[in-house]
Amino acid sequence: KAGVTQTPRYLIKTRGQQVTLSCSPISGHRSVSWYQQTPGQGLQFLFEYFSETQRNKGNFPGRFSGRQFSNSRSEMNVSTLELGDSALYLCASSFGSAGGSGNTIYFGEGSWLTVV
Amino acid sequence: GIQVEQSPPDLILQEGANSTLRCNFSDSVNNLQWFHQNPWGQLINLFYIPSGTKQNGRLSATTVATERYSLLYISSSQTTDSGVYFCAVDSGGSNYKLTFGKGTLLTVNP
Repeated sequence: KAGVTQTPRYLIKTRGQQVTLSCSPISGHRSVSWYQQTPGQGLQFLFEYFSETQRNKGNFPGRFSGRQFSNSRSEMNVSTLELGDSALYLCASSFGSAGGSGNTIYFGEGSWLTVV
Repeated sequence: GIQVEQSPPDLILQEGANSTLRCNFSDSVNNLQWFHQNPWGQLINLFYIPSGTKQNGRLSATTVATERYSLLYISSSQTTDSGVYFCAVDSGGSNYKLTFGKGTLLTVNP
């Protein structure tokens, strides 16, 4: 079956703009989580959604937001982009609770965001 | 929160050599996964292994939960094994997330 699909794969934005990234989980998976990867900070948790409810949020400013739709697809939005938002944004899905016992988490290929 | 330390940070091998990557964690876990990040950025699942031992071809992993560490073994390494290997854990409760180590950068030379 299809894996986790993220779009777009690459994008370049200007400071001050906003961006929306999309993630389609593996069919049947109800949990979607997002991570930011940068050379300096490594992989950091952004948020997790399960059945359209955000259950946990990482230590990121309010400019970072997300949502999950009834079909489990998810989007994340970053408003008022800063140079430091340049990163690889990774989406992951799992059948049950992300990180929970017995729940393998699968990642998409990521969205490479460059802010200039 | 839970802390994850991986060692070594960098490892250079000749093709055919064996290697052991280590992951130490600071608290009990109910989820531990090993990933390989390919050159295009995707994290590829290697093992889900909160405890015990698993093997998949040339790769195997062991987690000793009582001593809070996990080991990833790569035998007869190939150039395609190059990349960054991450260990990620979740300590349960209402975290709903994985905490990642900083990774081990493996370079396998022909």
